[in-house]
Amino acid sequence: QSALTQPASVSGSPGQSITISCTGSSNDVGGYNYVSWYQQHPGRAPKLMIYDVRYRPSGVSNRFSGSKSGNTASLTISGLQAEDEADYYCSSFTRNSSYVFGTGTKVTVL
Amino acid sequence: QITLKESGPTLVKPTQTLTLTCTFSGFSLSSSGVGVGWIRQPPGKALDWLAVIYWDDDKRYNSFLNSRLTVTKDTPNNQVVLTMTNMDPVDTATYYCAHRFCSGGCFDAFDIWGQGTMVTVSS
Repeated sequence: QSALTQPASVSGSPGQSITISCTGSSNDVGGYNYVSWYQQHPGRAPKLMIYDVRYRPSGVSNRFSGSKSGNTASLTISGLQAEDEADYYCSSFTRNSSYVFGTGTKVTVL
Repeated sequence: QITLKESGPTLVKPTQTLTLTCTFSGFSLSSSGVGVGWIRQPPGKALDWLAVIYWDDDKRYNSFLNSRLTVTKDTPNNQVVLTMTNMDPVDTATYYCAHRFCSGGCFDAFDIWGQGTMVTVSS
């Protein structure tokens, strides 16, 4: 299973909104509504931010939202804050009932 | 409170077999829907999903590494063990175990992660 494709980096100023894309295929992103997003700060374990494309676990800020169109999922961060600077990874359930992660996106708050 | 912790060798030689143990608390692998996954991350690189084992002993593996991976569970002792054969320097990474997210049902995501354990493959 090849990794899902994400932009290497995305940046924005405080208060702005940014969107990170995650492109797969009909065997993963496009075939299932089981896309999740993770935030990872340096030296830390990943944190689940979004599951099933658009749902937030309890405790995750509503500034984070997810969506999907065809084979591409997206994570939008609204009202960008300094603490949002981190690496973000998407993940999807796949046709062979396994999982695959994205290539990762470094978010920089200018 | 759910916690997970990985343990195992920090250094293995090429061609050796790696055995990692995930010891967890706060949930049972005998409960319907529950699962524990393994994910690794080479230094400075992306997450790489390896394997998952479910409450019913169903197991799934990364298709590229399938022949080298085995995951087992020891339910009474709240442990999951991952073995990876024929280790190579490219397998140098931080290895994480993680709990399958369950909230009124179980989902295809992992909500609680261990701190990770760094494994270096070198002669």
